[in-house]
Parts: sequence; C-alpha cells; structure tokens
Amino acid sequence: DIQLTQSPSTLSASVGDRVTITCRASQSISSWLAWYQQKPGKAPNLLIYRASILQSGVPSRFSGSGSGTEFSLTIGSLQPGDFGTYYCQQYYVYSWTFGQGTRVQIK
Amino acid sequence: EVQLVESGGGLVKPGGSLRLSCAGSGFTFSTYSINWVRQAPGKGLEWVASISTSSSYVYYADSVKGRFTISRDDAKNSLFLQMSSLRADDTAVYYCARVQSLAGLDYWGRGTLVTVSS
Repeated sequence: DIQLTQSPSTLSASVGDRVTITCRASQSISSWLAWYQQKPGKAPNLLIYRASILQSGVPSRFSGSGSGTEFSLTIGSLQPGDFGTYYCQQYYVYSWTFGQGTRVQIK
Repeated sequence: EVQLVESGGGLVKPGGSLRLSCAGSGFTFSTYSINWVRQAPGKGLEWVASISTSSSYVYYADSVKGRFTISRDDAKNSLFLQMSSLRADDTAVYYCARVQSLAGLDYWGRGTLVTVSS
C-alpha cells in the first residue's frame, strides 16, 4: 500500500497567518491526491482534488500544489472557522489511503 | 440536495456480524462509485471498501478483506456493508462517501457507529 505522511501533526497559528501542511507519498501518485477538512463530530469535507483543483464552494484561501510524491495544502489567511483536522488522501491506486492527519488549532 | 444516510450500526460481540446500509438521494445513485470509510474513536480516517457502478469492481482494505462484503442495490439507491468475524479494532464510525469521478470523495454521510465489545 502507498503510505502518506503528513507534517506537522499539529499546528497552532493565529488568525491571518499563512499555514502550510505537507503530505509525502511513499511512491509517485502523479496528481491523484485530495485534501479534506474534518471538524469534531462531523464528516470530512472535500477541499482540493487532483492535487490543486479547488472543490466547488471552498473558499479561495485554500490552495493545493505538488505532484509525484510531495504535496502541500496552504491556507492563505487563516480564519477562525478553519480549525479542525486536515487529511490528504491518494486515489492513484487501490487500496486508497489517507495521511494520519494534521490538527490545526487557532491561537 | 445530495444526501447519504448510513444506518445499521450498534453494539456487537467479537466474532459477530452486522450489516450497514447507506441510502442515497438527490443524485443518480447508479452512476457513481461509492466507498466506505471508517474512523476509530480519536483516530484518523481509514478507507475500507469501494464498489464501482454496476458492481463491476469491488476493492477492500487488507484489514477487512475476507470478512467484509460491499454491495449495492441501485433500484433502491442503497449501498451495503456486510461485516462478519468482527473484532474490537473494527470499532469505528463508518461513513459512506460518493466518489466524484477522478476527484476523490465529494459527499459523505454523517456516519454510523459500530462498537465491537463483549
């Protein structure tokens, strides 16, 4: 199975900060990567697919980049509602896999 | 409005069986692949199984292969997960999620909790 490693595991930032989360794949997955946000007690919400395409309805402060084995999710200006846990997920090959998650806290 | 609603969770003893259901509405159910994803308490997301349109292809995580069976009934807009030989580490919230073609999982249900305990 393809392993996805996210960093950092936890981050704390202030409103207005630029925040970047990275996701590294154990082998190339081209651009077949998605990012999700999950808030406590809720289902995940798709933010980015194909590594860099913003899902409809997602604020433009979210952006994704990367290909191959290195990917990143950036929040351009952190907002109070952006707290939660962020997951990357590869859909290049079955078994699909998720990263272990990055918990984002607002200072 | 696209909706996915899971049901069938509950408390089951180790070694027991349970069948989860997922009802879809607000979209043409038969034209989408659907997945099951689970989340153990306080843990991350784990992909469980996937079924393509017309049930042509099914895929399973190694952790459930041989114990879980994914199926669908497009006439009833429903997805199922038959779980057997359940273990304590199968305890999780189980989500069904729609596959947006080439784009990941775009709609998720609220989940149903399965607890495996004696």
